[in-house]
Amino acid sequence: EPEVTQTPSHQVTQMGQEVILRCVPISNHLYFYWYRQILGQKVEFLVSFYNNEISEKSEIFDDQFSVERPDGSNFTLKIRSTKLEDSAMYFCASRPPSGRTDTQYFGPGTRLTVL
Amino acid sequence: AQKITQTQPGMFVQEKEAVTLDCTYDTSDPSYGLFWYKQPSSGEMIFLIYQGSYDQQNATEGRYSLNFQKARKSANLVISASQLGDSAMYFCAMREKSTGNQFYFGTGTSLTVIP
Repeated sequence: EPEVTQTPSHQVTQMGQEVILRCVPISNHLYFYWYRQILGQKVEFLVSFYNNEISEKSEIFDDQFSVERPDGSNFTLKIRSTKLEDSAMYFCASRPPSGRTDTQYFGPGTRLTVL
Repeated sequence: AQKITQTQPGMFVQEKEAVTLDCTYDTSDPSYGLFWYKQPSSGEMIFLIYQGSYDQQNATEGRYSLNFQKARKSANLVISASQLGDSAMYFCAMREKSTGNQFYFGTGTSLTVIP
């Protein structure tokens, strides 16, 4: 069964450094998302992406964040200058062209640790 | 106001017994979808079940069923015949048609299945 994949599974970085989190959504999906989950807290929406542009973003998704679909398969989240509070699990999700349920399928996550 | 409320931070259930995980939601949008996800200790988010606001019947997927009470704005997850592998965090989520693609998550319920 097709899955969303994410790399790396764990990223450790120094404060102020740039990180790029990578995702490969399910191949026939058209809508892509990033969420984050700070340890012990709920999952929070960051951004949605459709047709090569951002369709929605939350207040969390400020100027230090950016997303890109550099080719036909990858979907990336870049954090330009990481802060300690960016430490979290980052989930990529995708969903197929409009269907009855609009279910989003999540990847296994990337745990980002900022030191 | 919280879009999704899960009032049970932790639940215990005996193996082979049924358990109900509570979820209430808040929306004025007549068109919305409700989702349950399972998050094992490994961290990935696994889609379990979906209920649409216009669905006449409660959703069922194997041992999972959703007790949808629209007037009360509740969407409780029922797991029948609990198994040790059901031990995990469970998140309720909602998508509103009016607010686009993002999912709103609850704070989760940690379920422990006791042998």
